[in-house]
Amino acid sequence: DTAVSQTPKYLVTQMGNDKSIKCEQNLGHDTMYWYKQDSKKFLKIMFSYNNKELIINETVPNRFSPKSPDKAHLNLHINSLELGDSAVYFCASSLATGTYYEQYFGPGTRLTVT
Amino acid sequence: AQSVTQLGSHVSVSEGALVLLRCNYSSSVPPYLFWYVQYPNQGLQLLLKYTSAATLVKGINGFEAEFKKSETSFHLTKPSAHMSDAAEYFCAVSDPRSGGYNKLIFGAGTRLAVHP
Repeated sequence: DTAVSQTPKYLVTQMGNDKSIKCEQNLGHDTMYWYKQDSKKFLKIMFSYNNKELIINETVPNRFSPKSPDKAHLNLHINSLELGDSAVYFCASSLATGTYYEQYFGPGTRLTVT
Repeated sequence: AQSVTQLGSHVSVSEGALVLLRCNYSSSVPPYLFWYVQYPNQGLQLLLKYTSAATLVKGINGFEAEFKKSETSFHLTKPSAHMSDAAEYFCAVSDPRSGGYNKLIFGAGTRLAVHP
C-alpha cells in the first residue's frame, strides 16, 4: 500500500548517459513534484505538474525533462548526465485543493554519476 | 520571496531531554509552515503543519510547534527525546496564494542526535 513510490532506488551511471526515474502515487492526488536534494541535504523544487500540466519549472537545465502520462505518474528523464547531477531525487504529491497542500514524499532515488 | 532559516545544523540532546529545533521564516504574507523528518536513507515524512488555524500545532511522535508571527518563528519541540528521534529535520514554508500548485521552500535542515 505504498503511497508514493519511485524506481529505481539507486542509479549509478556514467557521464554523458541518459537515464529516467519513475514515480507513481496511489493517493488520488492531482499534483506531483520533483525535488532535488544535494550532498549537503539541501532540498529544492525542480518541477510541479497538476493534472498532467506543467505548473512549476524552476531554473533547471534543459537536460531535465519531466513527463506526466497521467495524474498518478510523473517521470524524470535526464539527458547527457553530468557529475553535478549526482543527488537524491524525491518525488512528491499533493491535492491542489482542500488539504492545505501538504505534500507526501517518495523514498527517493539516489543518482550517482561517475 | 519566501525563505526559511534553521538555526543550528546539528543539535545533540540526551535521551529524555527537551528537543528544541529552531525555524524562522521570511514571507510577505501569512504562510503555511511545515516540519518534515527524514530518517537515514528514507524519504520525508510530514510531522506537522501550520495553516492559519491554531498557533500551537501538535504532530506525530509527540512533536509540537508554535507559530509566532511577531517573531516569524515556527520552532519544533518535544518534551522528552527518544533514541528513535535521531534524524534530519526540515522546516518548510509555502505561499497559500499560489493555490494548490504549491512549492515548498525548505530550510537547510537540522540533524538531531540523541545520546544515552
